[in-house]
Amino acid sequence: NAGVTQTPKFQVLKTGQSMTLQCAQDMNHEYMSWYRQDPGMGLRLIHYSVGAGITDQGEVPNGYNVSRSTTEDFPLRLLSAAPSQTSVYFCASSYSIRDSASYEQYFGPGTRLTVT
Amino acid sequence: LAKTTQPISMDSYEGQEVNITCSHNNIATNDYITWYQQFPSQGPRFIIQGYKTKVTNEVASLFIPADRKSSTLSLPRVSLSDTAVYYCLVGDRAGGFKTIFGAGTRLFVKA
Repeated sequence: NAGVTQTPKFQVLKTGQSMTLQCAQDMNHEYMSWYRQDPGMGLRLIHYSVGAGITDQGEVPNGYNVSRSTTEDFPLRLLSAAPSQTSVYFCASSYSIRDSASYEQYFGPGTRLTVT
Repeated sequence: LAKTTQPISMDSYEGQEVNITCSHNNIATNDYITWYQQFPSQGPRFIIQGYKTKVTNEVASLFIPADRKSSTLSLPRVSLSDTAVYYCLVGDRAGGFKTIFGAGTRLFVKA
């Protein structure tokens, strides 16, 4: 198993540009999520999904869109990049959280995004 | 939301036992307590999870008192490679299934 993969590893955008960060997992996990981590800070939840076709907002959803058309993929779209979105973005997945309170998540390696 | 409070940082020496305590006063009945470890430039990695009393695995132990309002992660005989940020999470089921990371505890292990 490759686990959770993210592409690209690094990205530089100009203010106002849009782009999609890719996330895929091959563990048949139902739950997937996106976090951002600013330098020296903890992780903040952007969006999450409890299964294909179901998404919901996290703590800091503004400026980001997500979709979940398949179990494996959970792309994060930046609509109009701003310098405040410079951060490291982590995708994570987990077995179903719906029926339990277990929160063991598997994280990808991250995408380092700089917006100038 | 079930929030957590941890010390911002801790220092230790190689070979010592390290205990990191997390406070979670508003934990819900069905919530588990989960700890993650994060090295620089990497995603967090699951360490241990528990519901009550004591859980032990090959990496750490987790102690949870009867009232479950706090928990303590115990790392036996730390080494330099245990220098990392440690996060305590409590499952949030209110209105969804959000998982909230706090600021974490930065553990620095010295030689």
